[in-house]
Amino acid sequence: AQSVAQPEDQVNVAEGNPLTVKCTYSVSGNPYLFWYVQYPNRGLQFLLKYITGDNLVKGSYGFEAEFNKSQTSFHLKKPSALVSDSALYFCAVRDSVDSNYQLIWGAGTKLIIKP
Amino acid sequence: DTAVSQTPKYLVTQMGNDKSIKCEQNLGHDTMYWYKQDSKKFLKIMFSYNNKELIINETVPNRFSPKSPDKAHLNLHINSLELGDSAVYFCASSQVLAETYNEQFFGPGTRLTVL
Repeated sequence: AQSVAQPEDQVNVAEGNPLTVKCTYSVSGNPYLFWYVQYPNRGLQFLLKYITGDNLVKGSYGFEAEFNKSQTSFHLKKPSALVSDSALYFCAVRDSVDSNYQLIWGAGTKLIIKP
Repeated sequence: DTAVSQTPKYLVTQMGNDKSIKCEQNLGHDTMYWYKQDSKKFLKIMFSYNNKELIINETVPNRFSPKSPDKAHLNLHINSLELGDSAVYFCASSQVLAETYNEQFFGPGTRLTVL
């Protein structure tokens, strides 16, 4: 069965430090992986995706994510955190062998950047 | 121009009432979705609609029904509202391609409160 796990409910990082938000997945075929961000009282915004190719994917707002097939992970990273990065982050996956159009979503990780 | 719009932004109603939430996308996408986000911020896919093919999450009560007058609109109708229906409802759209998977674009959400 397809699944996504975000093992941390909350991540606290000091401004200027690197940040990592973790995501692991389970699919039958090849994964299509996504990160979204949700600011308070807003809809979700797309950050980046991995479909195929280079394992390191760069996205919006200086974020990047590394696809690791052996560890079935797709962790979100940023070299230097900003207070404005504080938000709720969702990882999502679609299984390449799945014929419907739906994503499987993680439970979300609240990222808090402290000044 | 707003890519995915929803109306109303807030909806407060009594138990037992019937209500609708409207969604429109101007991105030319062929697939639209409805999500429910509960108070713990969990995202749950309710429906996806692609070229007149409706995929329903089996856990969604049949009081919920999507209606698509055309490719740019997917409205959500809810009958006999219950307290547990209180949540934020998000509409989203994407362009589904055979060999890849494009990101979803989300609307701003409709906060439904059932009294």
